[in-house]
Amino acid sequence: ETGVTQSPTHLIKTRGQQVTLRCSSQSGHNTVSWYQQALGQGPQFIFQYYREEENGRGNFPPRFSGLQFPNYSSELNVNALELDDSALYLCASSYQGLASTDTQYFGPGTRLTVL
Amino acid sequence: DAKTTQPNSMESNEEEPVHLPCNHSTISGTDYIHWYRQLPSQGPEYVIHGLTSNVNNRMASLAIAEDRKSSTLILHRATLRDAAVYYCILRSYGQNFVFGPGTRLSVLP
Repeated sequence: ETGVTQSPTHLIKTRGQQVTLRCSSQSGHNTVSWYQQALGQGPQFIFQYYREEENGRGNFPPRFSGLQFPNYSSELNVNALELDDSALYLCASSYQGLASTDTQYFGPGTRLTVL
Repeated sequence: DAKTTQPNSMESNEEEPVHLPCNHSTISGTDYIHWYRQLPSQGPEYVIHGLTSNVNNRMASLAIAEDRKSSTLILHRATLRDAAVYYCILRSYGQNFVFGPGTRLSVLP
């Protein structure tokens, strides 16, 4: 069984640029959630995708957007990057369905640095 | 906002048991208690979760108070690899996780 994978591992961008981060879900999972983790803090929920539709969103502006594909992989897009967007971006996959406890399994994260 | 309270940090000696407490006095009937840990430079790792009864798995045990207002994660024999930030999270099915600052566990050789 393949776990959650994310790419790239590290990324450096400049302010105002756009970035796309990718996530491959664990086999059999149909739900993907994205989190932002600033240095020294716990992860903060950005949004969740279930069956290719956004299924909940945290307190993040619209320049944070996402996609989920038919194979349940996912992308996080951030436009007009700001210095405060520098963080570890985490993807978590889970299975939502009957007899499921919807436990989320996290990937290793993408470290984004905005200069 | 996080609905749990955990100590900022704890220390343990290697090969000794560790009891990590979590208070959640406002827990609702549909909230599961989840524990995750995060090793340096890694994503959070699922440890264990429960609803009402105590739970055991290969990693740890979860002891839940009868009134469900507190719980304790038990590592039976701490190893150096167990040094991490441990998060206690309340979550109902389908809801997102709200992480607090967690407990930073140091394991001394």
